[in-house]
Amino acid sequence: SQQGEEDPQALSIQEGENATMNCSYKTSINNLQWYRQNSGRGLVHLILIRSNEREKHSGRLRVTLDTSKKSSSLLITASRAADTASYFCATAPADRGSTLGRLYFGRGTQLTVWP
Amino acid sequence: GAGVSQSPSNKVTEKGKDVELRCDPISGHTALYWYRQSLGQGLEFLIYFQGNSAPDKSGLPSDRFSAERTGGSVSTLTIQRTQQEDSAVYLCASSLVWTGNTIYFGEGSWLTVV
Repeated sequence: SQQGEEDPQALSIQEGENATMNCSYKTSINNLQWYRQNSGRGLVHLILIRSNEREKHSGRLRVTLDTSKKSSSLLITASRAADTASYFCATAPADRGSTLGRLYFGRGTQLTVWP
Repeated sequence: GAGVSQSPSNKVTEKGKDVELRCDPISGHTALYWYRQSLGQGLEFLIYFQGNSAPDKSGLPSDRFSAERTGGSVSTLTIQRTQQEDSAVYLCASSLVWTGNTIYFGEGSWLTVV
């Protein structure tokens, strides 16, 4: 499978703590994206990191990418109860065959932030 | 429109009936995707349209599933002779180009087959 796999499947922390989620994938990629989903509805794009980038920041979010290990991490600093959601990584494969254009999603990490 | 619009938001149908789910992508977006998500699961790719190119239908789970995109804009996902295992959220997304740019999701259509 070319899907990204998030780890852990579930994470429970207190407000103010940092949350770290990891994503591993199997094939070469053009980019990797992180999405957030509340209550099984539409996904919201958080951040995109390209294959030639190693780290990217957006507000309280920090994403790293290690293409040699085929892995990425999403760090949410100073978490809030409102950060409670499912977080998915999605990979855009570099394969220029039939998979061109498709994003592969993992099963997600369910983050719960307790007030 | 401002975002990806999907209808209906919720649909309950009897086993064996046909259903149509509609997606109106963001204006100007040439790429359109359909995904399916069962309860507590990740997203399962169904089909992908890019401009006037032949769609990538490789994710459709059976020949009961079909999709079309008229005029390069609105798309309809049709499920014929629905089965209980078709119950899921069907998510539509669009993006500007196919090169792995950010894709924008609609709120999804909850389908329940009883």
